[in-house]
Amino acid sequence: QKEVEQDPGPLSVPEGAIVSLNCTYSNSAFQYFMWYRQYSRKGPELLMYTYSSGNKEDGRFTAQVDKSSKYISLFIRDSQPSDSATYLCAMRYSSASKIIFGSGTRLSIRP
Amino acid sequence: DAGVTQSPTHLIKTRGQHVTLRCSPISGHKSVSWYQQVLGQGPQFIFQYYEKEERGRGNFPDRFSARQFPNYSSELNVNALLLGDSALYLCASSSGDTINEKLFFGSGTQLSVL
Repeated sequence: QKEVEQDPGPLSVPEGAIVSLNCTYSNSAFQYFMWYRQYSRKGPELLMYTYSSGNKEDGRFTAQVDKSSKYISLFIRDSQPSDSATYLCAMRYSSASKIIFGSGTRLSIRP
Repeated sequence: DAGVTQSPTHLIKTRGQHVTLRCSPISGHKSVSWYQQVLGQGPQFIFQYYEKEERGRGNFPDRFSARQFPNYSSELNVNALLLGDSALYLCASSSGDTINEKLFFGSGTQLSVL
């Protein structure tokens, strides 16, 4: 079993829709949770960074962490064609140097 | 401000050869991490260096090595290349503060091993 599971998609939605992206994980020791966006042939770009459980909002993006269910989500409101990319969830332990990534979900926003 | 810069952007090698990849972190950042991303998968941790010392190492063979220089730039070396080493190699820069550390990635070096 992988430490972090993420549906690879692809996920295709019309412009303006609300997008929901999710990851599950197996180790309850994870403390920091992140979402990265990666365009083709580019490096990952940090979108959201949260510590422990709860919600965090930044513009059209909302990240949710439910540690009791070992489940994290990213919501994108008013989705735009420019949001088309691969979205990677990631997490790490409090004292560790490495980040563990999900395999990524490919998202396509149709104009 | 310049972001994380990596060179070269693309590289083609043959099996058995050696390769050196280079990374310059964001100004003021003292830590560099290296990740390998195979097509269709998420990045996998290889190394982290902080103040020229190795802080962490992932599950990669000894053919992979790295170092960090006094100006905080870094090199990743891979010896005896295998076909399976073909991947996007990503360098990430961070402050080195483990409590609230955020990684910022470069665009990567695409390595093809033939």
